[in-house]
Amino acid sequence: SYELTQPPSVSVSPGQTASITCSGDKLGDKYACWYQQKPGQSPVLVIYQDSKRPSGIPERFSGSNSANTATLTISGTQAMDEADYYCQAWDSSTVIFGGGTKLAVL
Amino acid sequence: QVQLVESGGGVVQPGRSLRLSCAASGFTFSSYGMHWVRQGPGKGLEWVAFISYDGSNKYYADSVKGRFTISRDNFKNTLYLQMNSLRAEDTAVFYCAKDGTVGASYHFDYWGQGTLVTVSS
Repeated sequence: SYELTQPPSVSVSPGQTASITCSGDKLGDKYACWYQQKPGQSPVLVIYQDSKRPSGIPERFSGSNSANTATLTISGTQAMDEADYYCQAWDSSTVIFGGGTKLAVL
Repeated sequence: QVQLVESGGGVVQPGRSLRLSCAASGFTFSSYGMHWVRQGPGKGLEWVAFISYDGSNKYYADSVKGRFTISRDNFKNTLYLQMNSLRAEDTAVFYCAKDGTVGASYHFDYWGQGTLVTVSS
């Protein structure tokens, strides 16, 4: 079965750029998307179809997807961006989530 | 505005059944595929099932195949998840989620607040 792998945690200083990776076999051939989830809240879509931002998502969130890796980039990271982030793709009639990455803004 | 409101969660014994509902509003429900996604305590997101806009296509995670059934009523704007033969490992918050585009794109642009299912004797 298809798997997506994320680092368990990433740390970033306020104002710096955070990058969260998501790896999967030939992931670049599929669409990847990203969700942000804060404690006690439902997930929020922040990037879809590799690099598109839903309305209301700040421009500091961007995405890319090539070869075997999708990347979520947060530029000028703010304290409010501290959250869990999940990548997600679709393969063979199945939705797959990565294991999640806890972003710490220190 | 889009609203998804889940209900039907609760405490249930192993082997028993439970039916979840998700009332949708604020969009043309009959035009969009819908999903159920769950999250075990302290765990990540796990997709459970998908149903196409008209109910003609249904897909399930291997972990629930044969035990769970997804369905919808486009007249009532409601999504359902019938869960049978429940196991302790099914304990989770269950979210309903709207597919992002007409037809299906398999990303979720709106989520409900979730309903907690606890399987315990």
